[in-house]
Amino acid sequence: RKEVEQDPGPFNVPEGATVAFNCTYSNSASQSFFWYRQDCRKEPKLLMSVYSSGNEDGRFTAQLNRASQYISLLIRDSKLSDSATYLCAVNPGGGSYIPTFGRGTSLIVHP
Amino acid sequence: DAGITQSPRYKITETGRQVTLMCHQTWSHSYMFWYRQDLGHGLRLIYYSAAADITDKGEVPDGYVVSRSKTENFPLTLESATRSQTSVYFCASSESEVGYTFGSGTRLTVV
Repeated sequence: RKEVEQDPGPFNVPEGATVAFNCTYSNSASQSFFWYRQDCRKEPKLLMSVYSSGNEDGRFTAQLNRASQYISLLIRDSKLSDSATYLCAVNPGGGSYIPTFGRGTSLIVHP
Repeated sequence: DAGITQSPRYKITETGRQVTLMCHQTWSHSYMFWYRQDLGHGLRLIYYSAAADITDKGEVPDGYVVSRSKTENFPLTLESATRSQTSVYFCASSESEVGYTFGSGTRLTVV
């Protein structure tokens, strides 16, 4: 099993839809989790951290499920500008700041 | 301006030549990283550094050399470029478990 796995998609949704992505991780000792957004031919940019209690930022909600070892990203009221690739990153903990990145999930929001 | 900058943005070089990619950050972050991103592989860690004069190998270090004589600079050298090193290279920095900030990338083509 890969350390961090994501469905590559693409997820093709209409504007206004709600869409959710999951990211599974294999290391049960993992301590911190992140979602990044990457636009075509650009660098990844930190979207949000994922806390045990969940994290919401406007239309975006990130959650952690330690029991099942996955994190999720929910996007409500999708906009055309949300079209991008969403990467998850998982830090192994133990003082390491070296996350493992998933390969990303592609989202296409169409009119 | 504060941030992380990479240079050059684009580079074409010939097989066998030595190439150095530059990375500079203004935050005095302790950690700096070099990744390559290729279709089908996602982000792969080449080398990282936890502080000045401390570097360590990542997942795919072969053919690359790094140095970190100053906290703010982390150059990546391809000692003898090969076509398989054609890729997009991202530098990143972080201070703690709050996620990375990536540079805008260097697109390297080895012909």
